[in-house]
Amino acid sequence: EAGVVQSPRYKIIEKKQPVAFWCNPISGHNTLYWYLQNLGQGPELLIRYENEEAVDDSQLPKDRFSAERLKGVDSTLKIQPAELGDSAVYLCASSSSQGGGYGDTQYFGPGTRLTVL
Amino acid sequence: SQQGEEDPQALSIQEGENATMNCSYKTSINNLQWYRQNSGRGLVHLILIRSNEREKHSGRLRVTLDTSKKSSSLLITASRAADTASYFCATGRSGTYKYIFGTGTRLKVLA
Repeated sequence: EAGVVQSPRYKIIEKKQPVAFWCNPISGHNTLYWYLQNLGQGPELLIRYENEEAVDDSQLPKDRFSAERLKGVDSTLKIQPAELGDSAVYLCASSSSQGGGYGDTQYFGPGTRLTVL
Repeated sequence: SQQGEEDPQALSIQEGENATMNCSYKTSINNLQWYRQNSGRGLVHLILIRSNEREKHSGRLRVTLDTSKKSSSLLITASRAADTASYFCATGRSGTYKYIFGTGTRLKVLA
């Protein structure tokens, strides 16, 4: 079974430029997460989807970040414009929620390492 | 904000020794999970323990949970060089689907 796929793996951009990350979750997983991980820290949730609905985006900086999950499968996370402080690893994870969500194992992709110059 | 705090922040041991790392948290939880992250990679799920469980085993891993002290420990027995990684606890907060990750313990196992 293929795992969570993310692309690109690495991205270097100038500040104020836009950037987009793509995630393909494990087949059949209806829940998808985007996390941000700063160096030496644990992941912090940005947004969580149940199918195509964003059910928790309270931590997403909506002035510059946006996300979508069309048809409840693949997802993209966009930053426009990027700032120096956005340099981090962006992780995508998916899980198969069985109506409750409690105790779901999250399967993570390898992440996209963003460097903003 | 990160709820869990792992202790120690870094741990260096010899191959064959046991490694113990601890996680403390602040609010009520449904369950607690431990993840491993190798350098430059995504996180890999190791084990989940529910709030009504006190101890769980998986291979060389043993996890305990003390909800009265709001703490959990992960024990890796007979460590190997391949266990070198960062280990994170993630707490599933009561009444929500949200998991909050701790700051991680960086384990180095010397051959």
